[in-house]
Amino acid sequence: NAGVTQTPKFRILKIGQSMTLQCTQDMNHNYMYWYRQDPGMGLKLIYYSVGAGITDKGEVPNGYNVSRSTTEDFPLRLELAAPSQTSVYFCASSWVRPPTDTQYFGPGTRLTVL
Amino acid sequence: QKEVEQNSGPLSVPEGAIASLNCTYSDRGSQSFFWYRQYSGKSPELIMFIYSNGDKEDGRFTAQLNKASQYVSLLIRDSQPSDSATYLCAVKSGDDKIIFGKGTRLHILP
Repeated sequence: NAGVTQTPKFRILKIGQSMTLQCTQDMNHNYMYWYRQDPGMGLKLIYYSVGAGITDKGEVPNGYNVSRSTTEDFPLRLELAAPSQTSVYFCASSWVRPPTDTQYFGPGTRLTVL
Repeated sequence: QKEVEQNSGPLSVPEGAIASLNCTYSDRGSQSFFWYRQYSGKSPELIMFIYSNGDKEDGRFTAQLNKASQYVSLLIRDSQPSDSATYLCAVKSGDDKIIFGKGTRLHILP
């Protein structure tokens, strides 16, 4: 199993450009998440999905969009990139089995907006 | 605003000693508690989870939960240089949201 994979690993965008961060998991997890992590800070939840076709906003959704057409894929779309979106983006997945929700993280995408 | 608080550190501990990492949370309805380890430039990986009051041990790691005091801790016995990392506390709140603290940087001194 590859686990959670993310592409690209690094990207530099100009202000106003758009891009899609890809995330795929092969563990048949029902939940998937997108986080951003700024230097010296914890993880902030952007969007999450509880299953194919269902998505919901997290703590910091502005400037982002997501879709979940399959169990495996959960792409994150950045529209009109801004310097404030410079961050490391982590995708994660979990098989929710209350009360535990162990999340498995991808390697991250380091995004710089200039 | 539900919060998870951690001392940012760095916490410096001699090799072979016990490292103690602490976390407090604001939501009394929180259900599950997680400790993740994150090496510099890498993604977080789960060390332990705990959801009942008391201690839970796994090898050199012990998680402690006190729901009355809204406090969860992680003890690392016989600390090794490879334990040097940032430790993230995460809490599953009463409304099923998982909230991460900012992390504590741990430095094990050889």
